[in-house]
Amino acid sequence: DQQVKQNSPSLSVQEGRISILNCDYTNSMFDYFLWYKKYPAEGPTFLISISSIKDKNEDGRFTVFLNKSAKHLSLHIVPSQPGDSAVYFCAASATNRDDKIIFGKGTRLHILP
Amino acid sequence: KAGVTQTPRYLIKTRGQQVTLSCSPISGHRSVSWYQQTPGQGLQFLFEYFSETQRNKGNFPGRFSGRQFSNSRSEMNVSTLELGDSALYLCASGINTDTQYFGPGTRLTVL
Repeated sequence: DQQVKQNSPSLSVQEGRISILNCDYTNSMFDYFLWYKKYPAEGPTFLISISSIKDKNEDGRFTVFLNKSAKHLSLHIVPSQPGDSAVYFCAASATNRDDKIIFGKGTRLHILP
Repeated sequence: KAGVTQTPRYLIKTRGQQVTLSCSPISGHRSVSWYQQTPGQGLQFLFEYFSETQRNKGNFPGRFSGRQFSNSRSEMNVSTLELGDSALYLCASGINTDTQYFGPGTRLTVL
């Protein structure tokens, strides 16, 4: 059973608009969440993270929102740029139990000109 | 369909030793990637193999090497182990590199 779910395999957004990538999780023990970005033929690179003690973390154009009651997090990219076209992985870990990171299957984001 | 399997699941070694980790991808998957996961550094890409060829390599020293066999199974080798090599090593397989399925990992402890 998938503990981290990214239900949208792909998403297309116009350049300059906001991109919203969603992620749901099932394990209530998760307390640390991460987003990774992956270009073709490259490994994933860390993008932004959030601890469960927060509900929002912002870094430049990237903001991650966490809704613990809904077990849902989202990544907002604004404004979207062509270089943002990539696959985005949501990941979660339960740092007080095991530091293993569980990844979602990814969402492919296409930024349209 | 069986998932990605990694062996061994746990390993304890001492400094200076070498270690070989194994990964069996999902049947039909030709891409295998290796990652090192540590609490401080998060997930770091080691290398990727596709059809027995190393297609991409992360920023790790030459002590870290790998290979892929004709049946897509892959091995990762770390020589002259250092304390800092203690980590969870994840293998991921996919039809291509864009959709990856991760294995359970091998937890390596270097004493």
